[in-house]
Amino acid sequence: DTAVSQTPKYLVTQMGNDKSIKCEQNLGHDTMYWYKQDSKKFLKIMFSYNNKELIINETVPNRFSPKSPDKAHLNLHINSLELGDSAVYFCASRAQGIGNTIYFGEGSWLTVV
Amino acid sequence: AQRVTQPEKLLSVFKGAPVELKCNYSYSGSPELFWYVQYSRQRLQLLLRHISRESIKGFTADLNKGETSFHLKKPFAQEEDSAMYYCALGGSGNTPLVFGKGTRLSVIA
Repeated sequence: DTAVSQTPKYLVTQMGNDKSIKCEQNLGHDTMYWYKQDSKKFLKIMFSYNNKELIINETVPNRFSPKSPDKAHLNLHINSLELGDSAVYFCASRAQGIGNTIYFGEGSWLTVV
Repeated sequence: AQRVTQPEKLLSVFKGAPVELKCNYSYSGSPELFWYVQYSRQRLQLLLRHISRESIKGFTADLNKGETSFHLKKPFAQEEDSAMYYCALGGSGNTPLVFGKGTRLSVIA
C-alpha cells in the first residue's frame, strides 16, 4: 500500500497551459506539504496544510494554488505554466508530534516546453 | 530562522572506506534532525532521525548541540550507498522540514 501517492508521475506540457497534480495520503496524517525540487536537486517547501487549512505559503507565485478538499488530499494547481516551473514536485505528509517523520510521495516530474 | 548547511555537494569514496557527510544547522529552539536519502529518480526516504538514535543500513548520526552538527557516518561504504543525502531540520508542531542542499555520495568500486 502506497502511503503517499501522487499523480501524474510524469507531465510534459506547453508554456501557458494550466495543469494539476494530485496527492493523497492514507496514513491518517493531519499535515500535508508540497515541496519543489529544482534541477540542482534543491528541495524547498512551497505550502503546508494542517487539517485542510493553509498554514504556510512560502514565496511562491500566485499561479500556484493548492487545494485541500479533505485532510487526506492536497492537490496542486498551476496556471499559466512557465519554463522555470519545470521541476520535480513532491507531496508529503506528517503526523503531529515531536520527531514525527515526514513521508514523501514518489514525485511528479513536470517539464514545461 | 531555520537553516541547514551541507558543505559538500559531492563526496566520492572508495568501496570499504569510511564515509562522513557533514551537516550543520542553525535554530534557536529545540531542533529535530533527520537524514533523508534519495536514490536515483525515487522518493525521499527517511534514513535516520536523531530522536531515535538508531542505525539504519550501517549509518549513524549523533546530534552535537555544542557544534550544532548532525553528521552522518558509516564505517565502510558500499556501492549501493550511492545516492543523494539530505539533512533536514524540523521545529515543533507542524513546522515543515527545512532541507540542506544535499550531498551526492558516490561510492567507487
